[in-house]
Amino acid sequence: GQQVMQIPQYQHVQEGEDFTTYCNSSTTLSNIQWYKQRPGGHPVFLIQLVKSGEVKKQKRLTFQFGEAKKNSSLHITATQTTDVGTYFCAGRVRGGTSYGKLTFGQGTILTVHP
Amino acid sequence: DVKVTQSSRYLVKRTGEKVFLECVQDMDHENMFWYRQDPGLGLRLIYFSYDVKMKEKGDIPEGYSVSREKKERFSLILESASTNQTSMYLCASSSYAQPQHFGDGTRLSIL
Repeated sequence: GQQVMQIPQYQHVQEGEDFTTYCNSSTTLSNIQWYKQRPGGHPVFLIQLVKSGEVKKQKRLTFQFGEAKKNSSLHITATQTTDVGTYFCAGRVRGGTSYGKLTFGQGTILTVHP
Repeated sequence: DVKVTQSSRYLVKRTGEKVFLECVQDMDHENMFWYRQDPGLGLRLIYFSYDVKMKEKGDIPEGYSVSREKKERFSLILESASTNQTSMYLCASSSYAQPQHFGDGTRLSIL
């Protein structure tokens, strides 16, 4: 079945440093979504990427979707303590009754030291 | 604002018990999902439903069943609970291919 691998599993940074998490799918994706889960919370949707090579920005967060639509990345510039949490990518396959289904990566746990 | 409500935040059950986890959403979403979340394994899909009475197996359906008799409610059933089913269980809903909205989760301990 479809697999989505996400690295690294953990990342510790000093406040102000940059952070990147990478996501790779075993199959071509229809689109990819990113979620953030704060400690003790539930995953919350951040963004969706649909087009090959797409780049989207949300303030200090930059999301990219690969040309082959099999990989994606999330980059945070100048991390802040409010960025702490687990970041998940989630890929969607094409068509059928499974169209609503997402396959989640393992997540990257980000710790930011003040 | 979308609201996904899970019946319990914490639950403790014994091995062999039949366990019901309930999830209700208030946005008339077609899709509903049950995941379990374990450290280092991310979110793994147990079952999902794309319509009333319709269900599809996810990646780890063994030991679980589901029920969707009404559009707003999706139940996860552990037929005979085992200790390896101790986990955080998350319910989510979505409209077709739109983003998923999650409940607060149920932390289930099987003793």
